[in-house]
Amino acid sequence: QQQVKQSPQSLIVQKGGISIINCAYENTAFDYFPWYQQFPGKGPALLIAIRPDVSEKKEGRFTISFNKSAKQFSLHIMDSQPGDSATYFCAAGSGAGSYQLTFGKGTKLSVIP
Amino acid sequence: EADIYQTPRYLVIGTGKKITLECSQTMGHDKMYWYQQDPGMELHLIHYSYGVNSTEKGDLSSESTVSRIRTEHFPLTLESARPSHTSQYLCASSGGTNRAKNIQYFGAGTRLSVL
Repeated sequence: QQQVKQSPQSLIVQKGGISIINCAYENTAFDYFPWYQQFPGKGPALLIAIRPDVSEKKEGRFTISFNKSAKQFSLHIMDSQPGDSATYFCAAGSGAGSYQLTFGKGTKLSVIP
Repeated sequence: EADIYQTPRYLVIGTGKKITLECSQTMGHDKMYWYQQDPGMELHLIHYSYGVNSTEKGDLSSESTVSRIRTEHFPLTLESARPSHTSQYLCASSGGTNRAKNIQYFGAGTRLSVL
């Protein structure tokens, strides 16, 4: 049973466009929602994260939108650049001593010039 | 930049061999994790540790074993490698204080091929 569903599986965006990746979760105990970026041959690296006490968090060109009632969160990449081409993973975790993360299946983003 | 290191980066080995994948971190993190990932696919947690002498199995069943004798070191061992073990293995750690404690830092991974 997959607890974090991510879509789309792949995404092609033109340079300068907006990339949007969506995730939905089932476990209401989740209270930490990070996004990781992975380049080929590298391990995932934390990009941005949000907690359910806010509905939006922005860091540079990257924004997380969070809808607690719908149990959904999304990553928006504004002014997408070819250097943003990577695989993006959403994840969800709960505190209370656990700190394990459940990952989505990933979205391969290609930004074309 | 995360200070977590995995060796070897690539390993090609024959069926039946015993292998150990190394993972070390210099951040003093108490929590460490092993994930299995087919290239570009989702990450599956196979082992985790919350401190020295603490190890637990993750969500994905794995024939590998782990040990945590020192805080900074979390090796993964396969007693008898099989072609089905061919995958990428990622090590991660987390720790720190307050909001930073949830952040998992990943190594670059070991790509294992069993012939």
